[in-house]
Amino acid sequence: GAVVSQHPSWVICKSGTSVKIECRSLDFQATTMFWYRQFPKQSLMLMATSNEGSKATYEQGVEKDKFLINHASLTLSTLTVTSAHPEDSSFYICSAPKDGYSNQPQHFGDGTRLSIL
Amino acid sequence: DAKTTQPPSMDCAEGRAANLPCNHSTISGNEYVYWYRQIHSQGPQYIIHGLKNNETNEMASLIITEDRKSSTLILPHATLRDTAVYYCIVSLGAGSYQLTFGKGTKLSVIP
Repeated sequence: GAVVSQHPSWVICKSGTSVKIECRSLDFQATTMFWYRQFPKQSLMLMATSNEGSKATYEQGVEKDKFLINHASLTLSTLTVTSAHPEDSSFYICSAPKDGYSNQPQHFGDGTRLSIL
Repeated sequence: DAKTTQPPSMDCAEGRAANLPCNHSTISGNEYVYWYRQIHSQGPQYIIHGLKNNETNEMASLIITEDRKSSTLILPHATLRDTAVYYCIVSLGAGSYQLTFGKGTKLSVIP
């Protein structure tokens, strides 16, 4: 079945550090990938839509210079949290729909727990 | 995307059927109903989806009312590992469109 791999699973770093999170579709191509953020006891909130070969589309209130997205290939999207601060601590999750299957389910990664000290 | 309404929490005895309702009264004719669940500290897991007809797979059954304004996810024999938050989402097609997550239903399976 379709699998999405996310790396790293968790990361702890100092304030001011930039952190890169990878999202890979392992056995299918994904022109589009989605990045979500989830704070404790809250639901997933869409941050941005990542498009292969073009600029990402950010949701209102999400700073594009803070959360850099690169979708350089049909199987890899990266989210870089630049100059991270404690308020950026959250659970970041990516998802990828399989190209060519518009009504089929999206597949989610297992998430990255980011803790900024 | 149409909005959905789910009860915030439900309990179910282990081994019994868990019936999770979802109201989506503003669903449009070409929108699907998707169910995902999220076990603590993991990414959402796809369960099942449907358009008009009832659907069944190895995980669950999905019953959609004839007017499509509501649906019920049925886990036939709930186990402790089914304890999770269950999300009902309507979408034109999850493969092409972002999914909007509501608050979901926290299902607790009790021994």
